[in-house]
Amino acid sequence: GAVVSQHPSRVICKSGTSVKIECRSLDFQATTMFWYRQFPKQSLMLMATSNEGSKATYEQGVEKDKFLINHASLTLSTLTVTSAHPEDSSFYICSASAGGRYNEQFFGPGTRLTVL
Amino acid sequence: GENVEQHPSTLSVQEGDSAVIKCTYSDSASNYFPWYKQELGKGPQLIIDIRSNVGEKKDQRIAVTLNKTAKHFSLHITETQPEDSAVYFCAAGGGADGLTFGKGTHLIIQP
Repeated sequence: GAVVSQHPSRVICKSGTSVKIECRSLDFQATTMFWYRQFPKQSLMLMATSNEGSKATYEQGVEKDKFLINHASLTLSTLTVTSAHPEDSSFYICSASAGGRYNEQFFGPGTRLTVL
Repeated sequence: GENVEQHPSTLSVQEGDSAVIKCTYSDSASNYFPWYKQELGKGPQLIIDIRSNVGEKKDQRIAVTLNKTAKHFSLHITETQPEDSAVYFCAAGGGADGLTFGKGTHLIIQP
């Protein structure tokens, strides 16, 4: 149980284009989804927290107009990187939680974004 | 907010030996302490977690201990195998505030 999928697993795009990444909880309802960014050999950096049906809460320094997050249902959240630039190239990982006292998070397999 | 320190950053052990990774946290309100294993190019995988109402938890070769008074928790892997080689992250938190991650430990199992 507690399976989270991400799509696509890898994407290469040209500078200036927008890229959408999907995160799905396959066997549970995720009241909260988290989006992380990870640079090589570094830890996970939380970008934003989204609750189903409400606006995402962004961490300090993360541009909400550049990283659009939509959590339209209890099983799907999307992250759209708008007007991508080479510095946006990174490994993006989502996690999902069913809530509760401990709010356990289960991670997706990640999406490798390369902006040319 | 929560602050998590993880040590060591790199750990090399002989196959069959034990490995121990330690983390400290700062927020006494944290009540959930998971450990994740991340292989190259993949997302983190939850391998074991402990909640604040217990001091130790074991699952086959993996165990985690928690000392709430000292605000530290540790991951113990016994009889290490080559497939244990990966980056391990500890985290602390729970509830609406989510998790704060340590910087990771690169575990290398030497054959």
